[in-house]
Amino acid sequence: DAGITQSPRYKITETGRQVTLMCHQTWSHSYMFWYRQDLGHGLRLIYYSAAADITDKGEVPDGYVVSRSKTENFPLTLESATRSQTSVYFCASRGNGNQPQHFGDGTRLSIL
Amino acid sequence: QKEVEQDPGPLSVPEGAIVSLNCTYSNSAFQYFMWYRQYSRKGPELLMYTYSSGNKEDGRFTAQVDKSSKYISLFIRDSQPSDSATYLCAMSVVHGGSQGNLIFGKGTKLSVKP
Repeated sequence: DAGITQSPRYKITETGRQVTLMCHQTWSHSYMFWYRQDLGHGLRLIYYSAAADITDKGEVPDGYVVSRSKTENFPLTLESATRSQTSVYFCASRGNGNQPQHFGDGTRLSIL
Repeated sequence: QKEVEQDPGPLSVPEGAIVSLNCTYSNSAFQYFMWYRQYSRKGPELLMYTYSSGNKEDGRFTAQVDKSSKYISLFIRDSQPSDSATYLCAMSVVHGGSQGNLIFGKGTKLSVKP
């Protein structure tokens, strides 16, 4: 079934570890996004990508790295995880022009 | 002042009530307005999408945009327990490029009691 899938759904790791969150979409959408959602802050944009090999920073990019070698995948890496990065992470995608964003079901990440 | 303000609630109403959810914004350049619904432990799903001022209706849901007051609303008629969720407003300046990125409100948590 077409859609946007995130993996893993849940992840527990320790401070200082590297962790990668995966996002895969089957719509061939050009645009992909990574958000984090925290109580009191709502959804905040981390990074986005307009096409393969084109990425740009959002509102809260520090401590995160993204890549987009293929249109359908947009992994998010925390190179050295910190407790402040404990959050729920959502990936989204949309097509060109007048298209809304569609979201995955999120990855709940806890950093101990 | 944050660009988009939304009362976080929680809002609790009896089944069958009319619900009014609101957002205000400060950037007069916003042109596209959306409402997303988010169930617990799920991603946001698009509910309504509007471009112009005025009302847009879809079943029990009506989205209202007042650009002169920088105010948007979502009305839910005949509310059902299945409407219990967090509702997020979102808006953007244009629909393309980096300026097409969405700015979200913090969300209002709604509970509809049977």
